[in-house]
Amino acid sequence: DQQVKQNSPSLSVQEGRISILNCDYTNSMFDYFLWYKKYPAEGPTFLISISSIKDKNEDGRFTVFLNKSAKHLSLHIVPSQPGDSAVYFCAAKAGGGNKLTFGTGTQLKVEL
Amino acid sequence: DGGITQSPKYLFRKEGQNVTLSCEQNLNHDAMYWYRQDPGQGLRLIYYSQIVNDFQKGDIAEGYSVSREKKESFPLTVTSAQKNPTAFYLCASSVFGEQFFGPGTRLTVL
Repeated sequence: DQQVKQNSPSLSVQEGRISILNCDYTNSMFDYFLWYKKYPAEGPTFLISISSIKDKNEDGRFTVFLNKSAKHLSLHIVPSQPGDSAVYFCAAKAGGGNKLTFGTGTQLKVEL
Repeated sequence: DGGITQSPKYLFRKEGQNVTLSCEQNLNHDAMYWYRQDPGQGLRLIYYSQIVNDFQKGDIAEGYSVSREKKESFPLTVTSAQKNPTAFYLCASSVFGEQFFGPGTRLTVL
């Protein structure tokens, strides 16, 4: 049972435009959400997170939006740059624990 | 220079052999994790440890074993009972929800 879903395995965007990556979850106990970026043959690196008490969190070019009623979150990257080309993972956790549940990832390609 | 190290980067083993993957962290984190990444399947949790001398099975623990004798170290053994061990293995540690990952080990079974 996939509790965190990223239904788009890939996304292609032109440099300078907005990239929107989507994530859906089914477990209503999730209260903290994270986005990670991963290059091939490397470990994921943390990008941005959001608590369920917020609906938006912004950090530079990266903004995460959370819609609790729809159990949906999205990552916006504006403007997109070629160096943003990577796999992006959505992750979620419940309660005070540290265990994360990851989605299957979306491969973003930013083209010149 | 704090971080998580995994060694080796690439590992080859013959079918039927056990192999141990190393993970060391100097971030003073209590919790450590092992994940496996396969194409199209994201990161799947193998084992995790919240504190020294304690660990729990994750979603795909069969064929794997771990130990946590020191806070800094969380080695993973891939046993011959693991039916499909060829994968990219990632170790992580955490203190407040956010997990920090090592560079990974690519294990190939010949």
